[in-house]
Amino acid sequence: EDQVTQSPEALRLQEGESSSLNCSYTVSGLRGLFWYRQDPGKGPEFLFTLYSAGEEKEKERLKATLTKKESFLHITAPKPEDSATYLCAVLSGGSNYKLTFGKGTLLTVNP
Amino acid sequence: EAGVAQSPRYKIIEKRQSVAFWCNPISGHATLYWYQQILGQGPKLLIQFQNNGVVDDSQLPKDRFSAERLKGVDSTLKIQPAKLEDSAVYLCASSPTGEPTQYFGPGTRLTVL
Repeated sequence: EDQVTQSPEALRLQEGESSSLNCSYTVSGLRGLFWYRQDPGKGPEFLFTLYSAGEEKEKERLKATLTKKESFLHITAPKPEDSATYLCAVLSGGSNYKLTFGKGTLLTVNP
Repeated sequence: EAGVAQSPRYKIIEKRQSVAFWCNPISGHATLYWYQQILGQGPKLLIQFQNNGVVDDSQLPKDRFSAERLKGVDSTLKIQPAKLEDSAVYLCASSPTGEPTQYFGPGTRLTVL
């Protein structure tokens, strides 16, 4: 069974204080790793897809990286509007596009 | 482009009552998903449709949950009878044929008293 573990569960940063969120996974044949952002009371919003080890994607202050066992979401000089829950999900082997999600990391950026 | 639409946004019911949620996916998206998200957890897939056929319903509690997508467009998820542990946010997502990226709606927050 596919497993996704995200750490830390919660992270508080000061505005401008860079950090990283971790997503470790155990899957039978990784077909893709997804990062989503979820604001309170809203559905997850797609950020990135990574398909192979060594791949990197960037969007504004966010950069996602992927190794064979884990993915990191690096946040550079965060702003209060980056506060949200960040979800990691894996797409594993099979013909279905079934995502298995982690529990998420709740990020709070204080001004 | 309009996103995934869901209604209602909130629902409060007594245990043993029934409830239904509606989802309209992004236009042209053939694949539709229903997820359950319990507070503090990540979304868990309940059922996946490809057009109007079920692809995966292995995690759907079939004794009380049912879902349909009759014309291959919008979909309804029903719970009958509801239990306290069904309190959660029910998310609908859709994706284009052959693409894995899923786009989520705002969700329906269900509270069972």
